[in-house]
Amino acid sequence: DTEVTQTPKHLVMGMTNKKSLKCEQHMGHRAMYWYKQKAKKPPELMFVYSYEKLSINESVPSRFSPECPNSSLLNLHLHALQPEDSALYLCASSQTSRDRARKLFFGSGTQLSVL
Amino acid sequence: TQLLEQSPQFLSIQEGENLTVYCNSSSVFSSLQWYRQEPGEGPVLLVTVVTGGEVKKLKRLTFQFGDARKDSSLHITAAQPGDTGLYLCAGVPPEGGAQKLVFGQGTRLTINP
Repeated sequence: DTEVTQTPKHLVMGMTNKKSLKCEQHMGHRAMYWYKQKAKKPPELMFVYSYEKLSINESVPSRFSPECPNSSLLNLHLHALQPEDSALYLCASSQTSRDRARKLFFGSGTQLSVL
Repeated sequence: TQLLEQSPQFLSIQEGENLTVYCNSSSVFSSLQWYRQEPGEGPVLLVTVVTGGEVKKLKRLTFQFGDARKDSSLHITAAQPGDTGLYLCAGVPPEGGAQKLVFGQGTRLTINP
């Protein structure tokens, strides 16, 4: 199994809603990532979890709250988002976070629209 | 901050033609990766190059890492419509490993039948 599974694939939410994005991998990877990708732009790193501990937060607003319940799961909790937060949210995993040649496996993403 | 400049940003060519995409930086990277992304999907890794001067081939795609590990190129021979997509180069800085992957701006490639 070399897949990173993200749910839901599409999400529309209002600015007062609370929702969660979910990500799952069963490759035994110990590093998991959240990226945000706006249309026609490259992915931007948001958070990195290494061995289930948050190791990088790229100054992301607190309306985005990551959670890593175990080594296979990664969540992103969303609350009081703004329309400019609409984007494709990508989850990725790698064997570890520091190996220079390790490949990142990306999920298909959640296309989020904030109304 | 390490930056990767990718060129061209957009490329539209006819089926059967050859093309080259460039990824340049003034900084050294431990390794460089190339991804291909289709609309509404996540990037898929095509290749990782690690050694300066390294050349890797994947069918009609040839990837090269510069001798100084500051630049890379992707050459496609006899392009096909199935090659259409967003091509992203991504560099792993010497410090920080894969968690600090630096992405180029991407090349949006369209191959017309």
